[in-house]
Amino acid sequence: QSVLTQPPSVSGAPGQRVTISCTGSSSNIGAGYDVHWYQQLPGTVPKLLIFGYTNRPSGVPDRFSGSKSGTSASLAITGLQAEDEADYYCQSYDASLGGWVFGGGTKLTVL
Amino acid sequence: EVQLVQSGAEVKKPGESLKISCKGSGYSFDIYKIGWVRQKPGKGLEWMGIIHPRDSDTRYSPSFQGQVTISADKSINTAYLQWSSLKTSDTGMYYCARPSTGADVDFWGQGTLVTVSP
Repeated sequence: QSVLTQPPSVSGAPGQRVTISCTGSSSNIGAGYDVHWYQQLPGTVPKLLIFGYTNRPSGVPDRFSGSKSGTSASLAITGLQAEDEADYYCQSYDASLGGWVFGGGTKLTVL
Repeated sequence: EVQLVQSGAEVKKPGESLKISCKGSGYSFDIYKIGWVRQKPGKGLEWMGIIHPRDSDTRYSPSFQGQVTISADKSINTAYLQWSSLKTSDTGMYYCARPSTGADVDFWGQGTLVTVSP
């Protein structure tokens, strides 16, 4: 059971918009700690997609965006492309655990 | 160019010991922490612990406390993850990861696959 809760899977057709939620608690997201998102393509190393809720590292398309609401965060992907098919993970810091926490991951399928 | 290069894949038997490494280059190794993350086959990412090479201050996830040892040698820009007695449940991919100033990981090692089988 992951500290951060994500839906196991989401899907969408090419060109559509999908969102992935990440729900935490008062010891992580609710305590004000940043949320970061990673994309892991099949058989590859995770890649930082969004940091500090809404910021994109250089090279990440603006089709990817992040937001926060209370003890939750969301990743939105617009204009879905086949190459977006991957696993997506949220991450934060948890004061009770004293370290990083990850969501269980969400598998995005592009129909 | 920042790089984290991990040691190669390992195949071990239950009860054996193991130490894998992660060598950093292209940046000041003693300024940034190094974390370790496990990914079991077909599963998600799990934070194991983190070390600051400057003073070897180490924090462990409660799930991994007492199960592994994290260390670092800043003189050779290398962090380590070790087991004293492997279990079959330790099978998985292990990544070293360099966070930026926060918890966001901007650089990952390529991963070390550890297989523990009788």
